[in-house]
Amino acid sequence: EVQLVESGGGLVQPGGSLRLSCAASGFTFSNYAMTWVRQAPGKGLEWVSDISGSDDGTYYADSVKGRFTISRDTSKNTLYLQMNSLRAEDTAVYYCAKESGEVAAYPSDNWGQGTLVTVSS
Amino acid sequence: EVVLTQSPATLSLSPGERATLSCRASENVNKYLAWYQQKPGQAPRLLIYDASNRATGIPARFSGSGSGTDFTLTISSLEPEDFAVYYCQQRSNWPPITFGQGTRLEIK
Repeated sequence: EVQLVESGGGLVQPGGSLRLSCAASGFTFSNYAMTWVRQAPGKGLEWVSDISGSDDGTYYADSVKGRFTISRDTSKNTLYLQMNSLRAEDTAVYYCAKESGEVAAYPSDNWGQGTLVTVSS
Repeated sequence: EVVLTQSPATLSLSPGERATLSCRASENVNKYLAWYQQKPGQAPRLLIYDASNRATGIPARFSGSGSGTDFTLTISSLEPEDFAVYYCQQRSNWPPITFGQGTRLEIK
């Protein structure tokens, strides 16, 4: 059974940093692309970033480019999202999801439960 | 950026009725459109990928159709557990991967 468990969310001041983690199990982690999707309170889904399973190619939404970094540690079966220079508009529940293919931008067939990031002074 | 427009914003129906949800893309996305269901307090769940393929474990009452710019998600006979928010997502012209704004399916 595929399991994805996010952690690392919390309250952070504007301009601060946070690193989210997503522990994966139940599948061969290195064989699949992974993604982060966020959802601001009461709003819809917004794609944040993708990382491919094969060549670790990385891709970002313009709203986070240059501030967020996606990475993966295959030895730990863990996906990360390093978030710097956080803004109030980054406040959201952040979901990690497994994609159904090795290259990026396949449909997300398994999702974690999400972790809440609140950016406020 | 491909903009996905979902309609209607809210759909009010009764259990047993047929639901038809629409997703229109601002440019051709071929068949690369997916549908997700999200219930309050839960993560999204993949229903349909590549416009018309049901994901693993999804009941046959859910079906998808369309290609190019116009897509439809149909629920043939609504069950109580189907009342939720539905999102379409395209992965044809990316980055960015984009989502529609969602359709809320509520009990009438």
